[in-house]
Amino acid sequence: DVVMTQSPLSLPVTLGQPASISCRSSQGLVHSDGNIYFNWFQQRPGHSPRRLIYKVSNRDSGVPDRFSGSGSGTDFTLEISRVEAEDVGVYYCMQITHWPETFGQGTKLEIK
Amino acid sequence: EVQLVESGGGLVQPGGSLRLSCAASGFTFSDHWMIWVRQAPGKGLEWVASIKQDGSDKYYVDSVKGRFTISRDNAKNSLYLQMNSLRVEDSAVYFCVRDNNGAYWGQGTLVTVSS
Repeated sequence: DVVMTQSPLSLPVTLGQPASISCRSSQGLVHSDGNIYFNWFQQRPGHSPRRLIYKVSNRDSGVPDRFSGSGSGTDFTLEISRVEAEDVGVYYCMQITHWPETFGQGTKLEIK
Repeated sequence: EVQLVESGGGLVQPGGSLRLSCAASGFTFSDHWMIWVRQAPGKGLEWVASIKQDGSDKYYVDSVKGRFTISRDNAKNSLYLQMNSLRVEDSAVYFCVRDNNGAYWGQGTLVTVSS
């Protein structure tokens, strides 16, 4: 199975400051169709996961533009340009290029 | 609006059984793969099982093979997970998810396996 490794696992951030989460895969994530099936999810306390970003860099509907995704090969990044209080929660990366789909361990974002 | 509503969770003793259900609405259920993902208390997300649109293909994480069975009833827009021989380590919130791209999740149902 493809192992997804996130860093950091804990991310204290000051309100209004940027934040960055890294995810590294144990194998390249380019599918045979040329796409990279890599997503980012946010899970607020007490809620279900919500997809933020799909196929590396595409924001889902309703996701604020302060969230952005980038990456290629085996290294991917989620960036938040200015952290707001509602961004508190755990962020997960996920790949579905290779079966079975696998998730990162999660990064807990908290306000300093 | 896509809605996925899980039910059937609860407290069960080790070795016992539970059947989870997921009622889907707001989309053509029979057009989509359906997935079960679980989250142990305070832990991360783990894919459990997937089922093809017509139920002809099913896949499971190794730890549940032979114990869990995923199924669906397209006429009832419903997804199921029959869980037998439950273990303490199966305790988790179980989420119903549409497609493996993770765009839509239910609210989850809590399964607790404990004596």
